[in-house]
Amino acid sequence: AQSVAQPEDQVNVAEGNPLTVKCTYSVSGNPYLFWYVQYPNRGLQFLLKYITGDNLVKGSYGFEAEFNKSQTSFHLKKPSALVSDSALYFCALEGTNAGKSTFGDGTTLTVKP
Amino acid sequence: EAGVAQSPRYKIIEKRQSVAFWCNPISGHATLYWYQQILGQGPKLLIQFQNNGVVDDSQLPKDRFSAERLKGVDSTLKIQPAKLEDSAVYLCASSLLFSDRVNSPLHFGNGTRLTVT
Repeated sequence: AQSVAQPEDQVNVAEGNPLTVKCTYSVSGNPYLFWYVQYPNRGLQFLLKYITGDNLVKGSYGFEAEFNKSQTSFHLKKPSALVSDSALYFCALEGTNAGKSTFGDGTTLTVKP
Repeated sequence: EAGVAQSPRYKIIEKRQSVAFWCNPISGHATLYWYQQILGQGPKLLIQFQNNGVVDDSQLPKDRFSAERLKGVDSTLKIQPAKLEDSAVYLCASSLLFSDRVNSPLHFGNGTRLTVT
């Protein structure tokens, strides 16, 4: 069975500081990993994905994520946080053998001015 | 492009009543998904369609939930009878091709918030 863990329910950072939202996964075979963002009363929006290749992937709104196979992690990062980045972030996994997405329980990011 | 449309946005019903949700995916998207998102949890896949055929419904509570995608476009998800634990946001998503799933990220609608009292 595949699983995704987001160990932090809440992350608080000051505007202008770097941010990291953590994600770890468990799957048989190679993973396909995604980050989505959800604003209040809205559906999820795709941010970025890792399929293969470079371990550092860049996505929308200045976000990037680093894939680490040995640590089975896919942490979301941004060098300088904005207040508008405040939202709920979901990490998702699709195993190559499973064919369906498994989501973490989400991390609420709050960026304070 | 127009996004995934869902209706209604909110629905309040009493337990044992029935309810239906509607989804219109992005034009040309062959794959359609229904997810259940309970407060404080990530979305859980209920059912996945490829065109008008079911690809995966392993997590759909078939004794009370049903879904169809006639003509491979719009989809409806029905709950009959509803239970208190069905209170959640029901998200519809679509993607271009299941066969190219990893290059076709999910596009989500805004969801329907269901409250069962």
